[in-house]
Amino acid sequence: GAVVSQHPSRVICKSGTSVKIECRSLDFQATTMFWYRQFPKQSLMLMATSNEGSKATYEQGVEKDKFLINHASLTLSTLTVTSAHPEDSSFYICSARVRGWGDTQYFGPGTRLTVL
Amino acid sequence: AQSVTQLGSHVSVSEGALVLLRCNYSSSVPPYLFWYVQYPNQGLQLLLKYTTGATLVKGINGFEAEFKKSETSFHLTKPSAHMSDAAEYFCAVSEPSNNAGNMLTFGGGTRLMVKP
Repeated sequence: GAVVSQHPSRVICKSGTSVKIECRSLDFQATTMFWYRQFPKQSLMLMATSNEGSKATYEQGVEKDKFLINHASLTLSTLTVTSAHPEDSSFYICSARVRGWGDTQYFGPGTRLTVL
Repeated sequence: AQSVTQLGSHVSVSEGALVLLRCNYSSSVPPYLFWYVQYPNQGLQLLLKYTTGATLVKGINGFEAEFKKSETSFHLTKPSAHMSDAAEYFCAVSEPSNNAGNMLTFGGGTRLMVKP
């Protein structure tokens, strides 16, 4: 149980294009989903927290217009990187949490974004 | 504010030797504590967690960790390392709450290398 999937696993795009990454909880309903960014050989940096049906809460320094997050259902959250630039290249990981499960976050496998 | 310190960004052990990965935290309230493992180009997998109760927690793959409040530590151990244990390990804390959307604060990670 508690499986989280991400799609795509890897994406390469041209500078200036937008990329959408999906995060799905496959066997549970996620009241909260989180989006992280991880640079090579570094720890995870929380970008934003999204609760189903409400606007995402962004961490300081994360541009909300650049990284659009939609949490339209209890099993799906999407992160759209708008007008991507090479500096947006990174590993993006989502996680999902269920209220009452002891604050445990279950992580997706990650999406490697490369912007040329 | 919470913080997590993992002493040693790289740890190298021989196959069959004891694994000890250190984690110290600071928190204004007794936290929930987690250890995650990350294999290359993958998301994070939960190894074990401490919320309440017994301070020695057993996880998957033979790992265990002990919550020591007096030392504000949650070190991860395994009696005998396997080659398959080579990965990046992250310690994380969250502040217990009944509200959805609790953040995880991650340590910097420790890369475990296992020598044959």
